Amino acid sequence: QKEVEQNSGPLSVPEGAIASLNCTYSDRGSQSFFWYRQYSGKSPELIMFIYSNGDKEDGRFTAQLNKASQYVSLLIRDSQPSDSATYLCAVSRRGAGSYQLTFGKGTKLSVIP
Amino acid sequence: GAVVSQHPSRVICKSGTSVKIECRSLDFQATTMFWYRQFPKQSLMLMATSNEGSKATYEQGVEKDKFLINHASLTLSTLTVTSAHPEDSSFYICSATQYKRSQETQYFGPGTRLLVL
Repeated sequence: QKEVEQNSGPLSVPEGAIASLNCTYSDRGSQSFFWYRQYSGKSPELIMFIYSNGDKEDGRFTAQLNKASQYVSLLIRDSQPSDSATYLCAVSRRGAGSYQLTFGKGTKLSVIP
Repeated sequence: GAVVSQHPSRVICKSGTSVKIECRSLDFQATTMFWYRQFPKQSLMLMATSNEGSKATYEQGVEKDKFLINHASLTLSTLTVTSAHPEDSSFYICSATQYKRSQETQYFGPGTRLLVL
């Protein structure tokens, strides 16, 4: 059974600090990895995706992937109160007809002003 | 780019009626769309995979005769909740898959909040 595990939180960080969100997955065949942000009462919004081992940076966000450890993380630098949301980790296998995402339950982040 | 819309955003209906929700990919073609349901304070639950021109694939426990899915074009999928009951009240979210440079990415619509009285 494919599983994606996240710490449910809440994770509280002070404004301006680095927020570190972690995710592990069980399916070694996973090839695509995504981070979505979901504000309360809203639908998920894509933050970043990563396909290769290593780091990928986009503004204040850095995604890190370690396929050997089956671990993916999201760092948010200079955290802002507007970053307070639930962050969903999602993974998928890449293959014909199989683009379903398996989601973690999400980590709730609270950035304290 | 990669914008997905849903209509309506909110609907209130009487028990026993049917409700249709539309999901459109506005600036890309989506061979595959997905329908999710999310109850308050719970995680996303995949209901079905909608493929253009073929029958939808439903997840275990989702009644295909109750949740009718039609993916008539590369930009439109519809979900019809038939004979809705109060327990069907939920947040329904669609997503559409964009294929770009051999990579696929799912983009979500804004969701439809259904309340069945």
